[in-house]
Amino acid sequence: AQSVTQPDIHITVSEGASLELRCNYSYGATPYLFWYVQSPGQGLQLLLKYFSGDTLVQGIKGFEAEFKRSQSSFNLRKPSVHWSDAAEYFCAVGPNTGNQFYFGTGTSLTVIP
Amino acid sequence: NAGVMQNPRHLVRRRGQEARLRCSPMKGHSHVYWYRQLPEEGLKFMVYLQKENIIDESGMPKERFSAEFPKEGPSILRIQQVVRGDSAAYFCASSPEVADTQYFGPGTRLTVL
Repeated sequence: AQSVTQPDIHITVSEGASLELRCNYSYGATPYLFWYVQSPGQGLQLLLKYFSGDTLVQGIKGFEAEFKRSQSSFNLRKPSVHWSDAAEYFCAVGPNTGNQFYFGTGTSLTVIP
Repeated sequence: NAGVMQNPRHLVRRRGQEARLRCSPMKGHSHVYWYRQLPEEGLKFMVYLQKENIIDESGMPKERFSAEFPKEGPSILRIQQVVRGDSAAYFCASSPEVADTQYFGPGTRLTVL
């Protein structure tokens, strides 16, 4: 069965510190992988995606993520967090065939001055 | 290029009433997806539609819920005889092709009194 696990429900980091949000997936085929960000009361904005090729992908707002097939992981990173990065982050697995996206339960990021 | 549009943004209904949620996909996108987000949870897939066709409704409750995507006009998610448990944020996404990146609307927040 397909699933996405985000082990960290909530993370607090200081502004300027580095960030890593974890995502593990279970998927029967080669997955498409996504990270979305959701600000309070807003929709989801695509940060980055991985379909194939280079396993280190760059996204918007200075984020990057690395696909590690051996670990079934797609962790999101940012070298220096800004206060405006405080939001909810969702990892998603999508089909290379079929229709559904499977979302993790999200990681809430708090940034302290 | 306008993004995915959803209206209304907020909807309040009393138990037993009907809720109609609308979604206009991005220009050029013919694939529409509906998701439900309960508080403190990730997004759960409900239904996937193409123009005039329901492709996958495996995530939609069998009763009271229906969806359509007519040849002309927006996609509609309809909830009949709403109950308090239907209170949630409902997100629509669209994509240009199947198994492609999904772009999300701002959501409709349904509150059932």
